[in-house]
Amino acid sequence: SAVISQKPSRDICQRGTSLTIQCQVDSQVTMMFWYRQQPGQSLTLIATANQGSEATYESGFVIDKFPISRPNLTFSTLTVSNMSPEDSSIYLCSVRTGRDIQYFGAGTRLSVL
Amino acid sequence: GEDVEQSLFLSVREGDSSVINCTYTDSSSTYLYWYKQEPGAGLQLLTYIFSNMDMKQDQRLTVLLNKKDKHLSLRIADTQTGDSAIYFCAESAGNTGKLIFGQGTTLQVKP
Repeated sequence: SAVISQKPSRDICQRGTSLTIQCQVDSQVTMMFWYRQQPGQSLTLIATANQGSEATYESGFVIDKFPISRPNLTFSTLTVSNMSPEDSSIYLCSVRTGRDIQYFGAGTRLSVL
Repeated sequence: GEDVEQSLFLSVREGDSSVINCTYTDSSSTYLYWYKQEPGAGLQLLTYIFSNMDMKQDQRLTVLLNKKDKHLSLRIADTQTGDSAIYFCAESAGNTGKLIFGQGTTLQVKP
């Protein structure tokens, strides 16, 4: 298994500001992902965080709004930029281990006022 | 494209068995997963099944996979109040590694 630490666990932010969420895993993993879970909804993939290159974004998500960094095989950040109340969600980091099993962090609960 | 469907709600009495059903569309999925989300928490990997298996049992959990019908089920034996949560079915989309999730089934366990 993999142990994933996500910070912050929750935050309340003002409209127009940005928040950077950190994801740290306890072992080197090839693939890291960022998901969004809007209130009462299921999970939607935002992007795949690629080590050493630009992230791969899913339809409906753009780099200017959700810039992602992945400087090494154990760490990634997701920034939610120029926030609006519609960005209020849970943001989850996940990793895929060598056995092709995916584990999730505890998530970051974001409220935008 | 890929799609995963689940019923939204299930209510059982404590001690009964719970069966949560899921249908999926991507026949190339390597693994199928069940995750549990308790209120205010992240996603906990409950169990998974490799696509060439029909059944997997892990203590109180039994996963059944019918590849022909693209149907997956999770049976929880002797359901407890601590099992109350949202259960998500997910399939892996080809070799991309990304997961496609169902809407989640809210399991309510009555004492």
